[in-house]
Amino acid sequence: DVQMTQSPSSVSASVGDRVTITCRASHYLDTWLAWYQQKPGKAPKLLIYAASSLQSGVPSRFSGSGSGTDFTLTITSLQPEDSATYHCQQANIFPWTFGQGTKVEIK
Amino acid sequence: QVQLQQWGAGLLKPSETLSLTCAVYGGSFSGYYWNWIRQPPGKGLEWIGEINRDGSSSYNPSLRSRVAISRDTSKNQFTLKLNSVTAADTAIYYCARGLRTVPYYFDFWGQGTLVTVSS
Repeated sequence: DVQMTQSPSSVSASVGDRVTITCRASHYLDTWLAWYQQKPGKAPKLLIYAASSLQSGVPSRFSGSGSGTDFTLTITSLQPEDSATYHCQQANIFPWTFGQGTKVEIK
Repeated sequence: QVQLQQWGAGLLKPSETLSLTCAVYGGSFSGYYWNWIRQPPGKGLEWIGEINRDGSSSYNPSLRSRVAISRDTSKNQFTLKLNSVTAADTAIYYCARGLRTVPYYFDFWGQGTLVTVSS
């Protein structure tokens, strides 16, 4: 299976800060990668797919980049409601696999 | 607006069969892929399997020998069965829809069902 490694495992930042989360894959993915946001007790929410395509209704402060094995999720101007765990997911090599998650906290 | 509502037994004994059903409200049912994904407490997400537009199912090889996903298009529902459960199967189970264009990304999710396996 493709191993997805996220870093950092947690990050604490202030409102208005720029936050960057990285996801590294053990195999080549082209741009077959998604990012999800999950709040406590809730199901994940799709933010980004195909590495950089913003899902409908997601604020533009979220963006994704990367290809191959290295990918980034960026939150420009962090908001209080962005406190959550973020997961990456690869969709290039069966079975689809997820990263272990990155927890974003507000200082 | 699409909504997924899921239900099933939340407490099982080892060796029993897990059975969860997900009902889809709003939007097309037959035109999409439907998935089951689980999350052990405090851990990451694991894709279990899918049923596609044609009614064919695909499963994570790690679970393939124990899992079955079926659908009832007359009720807009799909069902997960996982047999011979152990404590390692304790998790929150989610149903989810695949994107219409690229069905391997998941855009609508059920509320989740905590399934605990304990003797």
